[in-house]
Amino acid sequence: SYVLTQPPSVSVAPGQTARITCGANNIGSKSIHWYQQKPGQAPGLVIYYDRDRPSGIPERFSGSNSGNTATLTISRVEAGDEADYYCQVWDSINHNYVFGTGTTVTVL
Amino acid sequence: EVQLVESGGGSVQPGGSLRLSCAASGFDVGTNYMSWVRQAPGKGLEWVSVIYNDGGTQYAESVKGRFTISRDNSKNTLYLQMSSLRGEDMAVYYCTASLMYGLDVWGQGTTVTVSS
Repeated sequence: SYVLTQPPSVSVAPGQTARITCGANNIGSKSIHWYQQKPGQAPGLVIYYDRDRPSGIPERFSGSNSGNTATLTISRVEAGDEADYYCQVWDSINHNYVFGTGTTVTVL
Repeated sequence: EVQLVESGGGSVQPGGSLRLSCAASGFDVGTNYMSWVRQAPGKGLEWVSVIYNDGGTQYAESVKGRFTISRDNSKNTLYLQMSSLRGEDMAVYYCTASLMYGLDVWGQGTTVTVSS
């Protein structure tokens, strides 16, 4: 099965930039989505189709996807960005959705 | 307003069964991809099952043969029938919809506890 690997944690100071990676073989050939999950809440979509933002998501959130790595970038990090972040793709071979292992973002 | 509301969670003994429901509003479950995603305590997200707008279904290997996804278009409701439940099935179960891109609508989740 297709495995998406994320770093377990990323720490960043307020106002700085957080970069969360999602690695897999040739992930650049797939469309990737990113979800944010705050404690006690359901996940919510923050980036779709590699780099697009749903309505209501700040421009500080951006995405890229190439080669074997997709990246979610959070610029000018705020305390409210503390959350778990998951990448996700559709595995067309096994016909299932695949989530990454998840990354906890901590704002110092 | 687009909304998903799950129900049916609870406590069940190993080997038991449970049916989860997900009532949708603001859109039709029959014309969109609908999925169940679960999250074990302290763990990450795990996709469980999907039902396509044409009625086709897919399951994660971990639940294949034990779980059945279905929908009732007249009630605009999605279901997950779970049987032969195991300890590793204990999780918060989220109902999700793919209306435009990704899994763009999520319910608040319902908790399933499997314990003797």
